[in-house]
Amino acid sequence: GDSVTQMEGPVTLSEEAFLTINCTYTATGYPSLFWYVQYPGEGLQLLLKATKADDKGSNKGFEATYRKETTSFHLEKGSVQVSDSAVYFCALRRGNTGKLIFGQGTTLQVKP
Amino acid sequence: GAGVSQSPSNKVTEKGKDVELRCDPISGHTALYWYRQRLGQGLEFLIYFQGNSAPDKSGLPSDRFSAERTGESVSTLTIQRTQQEDSAVYLCASSLSGLQPNLPSNYGYTFGSGTRLTVV
Repeated sequence: GDSVTQMEGPVTLSEEAFLTINCTYTATGYPSLFWYVQYPGEGLQLLLKATKADDKGSNKGFEATYRKETTSFHLEKGSVQVSDSAVYFCALRRGNTGKLIFGQGTTLQVKP
Repeated sequence: GAGVSQSPSNKVTEKGKDVELRCDPISGHTALYWYRQRLGQGLEFLIYFQGNSAPDKSGLPSDRFSAERTGESVSTLTIQRTQQEDSAVYLCASSLSGLQPNLPSNYGYTFGSGTRLTVV
């Protein structure tokens, strides 16, 4: 079945460091891919998405490129801030259903 | 309403009791989803409603779990004879539609804040 695998956390970085959170997926067909973020004490929010191969989603300085050849959608940010501390979830959705399949989440801690 | 509303926000119940969790989706959203998030784990799909179609119940972990939705509005998730392993945050989300192949650029789920269920 469809699945999403994320790198295990927590990931701890200093402010202004470069961030990569790995995400790989298994799915039939051509799923859409998403990153969601959950800030402390808040609900899940859509961070960015890509709907086809080679698309790049971007938002708030975060980027992720849909790589079909490696079935990956790694999240990157060039310079993290303390306010980026949160749990990040990678997810996929196949075109014939609205159901999202989530990875297990990666906790990011950014220290000043 | 402006967002997805879930109630109660917190629920503590004794093992063996039944609980009902409520979700009010965004008006006009035809698709509604329930997920479970256990402590330190990812989101686990439970059930998905799309308009008047039969719901996708493939994620319900046991027959103690059931959910209903009235038309395209409120949904309730019922857990009967609760067990300690049911303790989790139960998240509801809604979206415009789950079935359109060409989605608007703002397509995505809107999540509620969740109900934290603790079974003691």
